[in-house]
Amino acid sequence: DIQMTQTTSSLSASLGDRVTISCRASQDISNYLNWYQQKPDGTVKLLIYCTSRLHSGVPSRFSGSGSGTDYSLTISSLDQEDIATYFCQQGNTLPWTFGGGTKLEIK
Amino acid sequence: EVQLQQSGPELVKPGASVKMSCKASGYTFISYVMHWVKQKPGQGLEWIGYINPYNDGTNYNEKFKGKVTLTSDKSSSTAYMELSSLTSEDSAVYYCARERGITLDYWGQGTTLTVSS
Repeated sequence: DIQMTQTTSSLSASLGDRVTISCRASQDISNYLNWYQQKPDGTVKLLIYCTSRLHSGVPSRFSGSGSGTDYSLTISSLDQEDIATYFCQQGNTLPWTFGGGTKLEIK
Repeated sequence: EVQLQQSGPELVKPGASVKMSCKASGYTFISYVMHWVKQKPGQGLEWIGYINPYNDGTNYNEKFKGKVTLTSDKSSSTAYMELSSLTSEDSAVYYCARERGITLDYWGQGTTLTVSS
């Protein structure tokens, strides 16, 4: 199975900060990388698919980049509603696998 | 509007089975594969498998073979997941999610399963 690693399990930042969350795959996943947001109430939403494509309705302050094994999610200006846990997921090979998550908190 | 409405919380005894549901609305049910994902308390997400409601084809994570059975009902636009021989390790939140390509574009709200005597 492809292992997905998010080395930062929690991150504290101030409102308005630029925040970057990283994800590394154990092998090349050919940009088949997605990002999800999980709110404290458990609600899960797709943010970014195929590395950099913004899902419908997602604010433009979210963006994604990367290639090969290394990917990142960036929030250009942190908003209160962005408090959540963020997961990466590879869709290159079954079984699909997720990173362990990065919990974002307000400083 | 795409919606996936999952069934309510379950409290089940060890050794028993449970079947939870995921009712889809706002799109053509048979046109999209449905996936299921497990999340143990305070932990990450784990892919269980998927069902294609068009032809009832399934694909399971090896880890969940023998534990999980995925089915669907076209007439009610509902996907189901049955877990058998329950243990405390099965206590978790289970999500259904619609597939689009290589991603899961819409998720249900989750069903909390507690296995306890």
